[in-house]
Amino acid sequence: DAEITQSPRHKITETGRQVTLACHQTWNHNNMFWYRQDLGHGLRLIHYSYGVHDTNKGEVSDGYSVSRSNTEDLPLTLESAASSQTSVYFCASSGGPGSGANVLTFGAGSRLTVL
Amino acid sequence: KQEVTQIPAALSVPEGENLVLNCSFTDSAIYNLQWFRQDPGKGLTSLLLIQSSQREQTSGRLNASLDKSSGRSTLYIAASQPGDSATYLCAVTGKIIFGKGTRLHILP
Repeated sequence: DAEITQSPRHKITETGRQVTLACHQTWNHNNMFWYRQDLGHGLRLIHYSYGVHDTNKGEVSDGYSVSRSNTEDLPLTLESAASSQTSVYFCASSGGPGSGANVLTFGAGSRLTVL
Repeated sequence: KQEVTQIPAALSVPEGENLVLNCSFTDSAIYNLQWFRQDPGKGLTSLLLIQSSQREQTSGRLNASLDKSSGRSTLYIAASQPGDSATYLCAVTGKIIFGKGTRLHILP
């Protein structure tokens, strides 16, 4: 079955370190998204991509970067982790064929703690 | 700027009751609206997607409606069960903007 996989599921790091969260989907979706979810703020869009080599900033992109070198993967990098980036991160994808094209499918999430 | 609001933030109802969750949005120029369910510590599961040209979608005990002109969507859950306890979120596209969700607790 097709799926969207995030790794690691849990990560503890220190302030200032670079961290990369992986997202891999086997749906062959064109669109991929990264969100963070925090109490009181809900889900906020960090970056998104509509295809290979396409990346766009979302509403909370400062301190994050992404690259899209193939259809399946959209890794999220925190260049220099800050305590304010402690959160749960969700990857999502969409863009399948036919009537399912707009359905957004989510990964299980990655919980990041920055000490 | 699109804003999505879900009221109430939390809701508790006895098992077996029918209930309605609300979602409102400020910009009616949406592409579609999607309802999700999120269990504690889990990712989001898509429940229903309504295209902007549609008025409603049904899946089992769930029925979602969309009124673009008034900027509202409702999720109707029939004959609620304890297993329906979760947080329910709506999201609108163009840019995908989420509401903060309604935490639903079904009392056995």
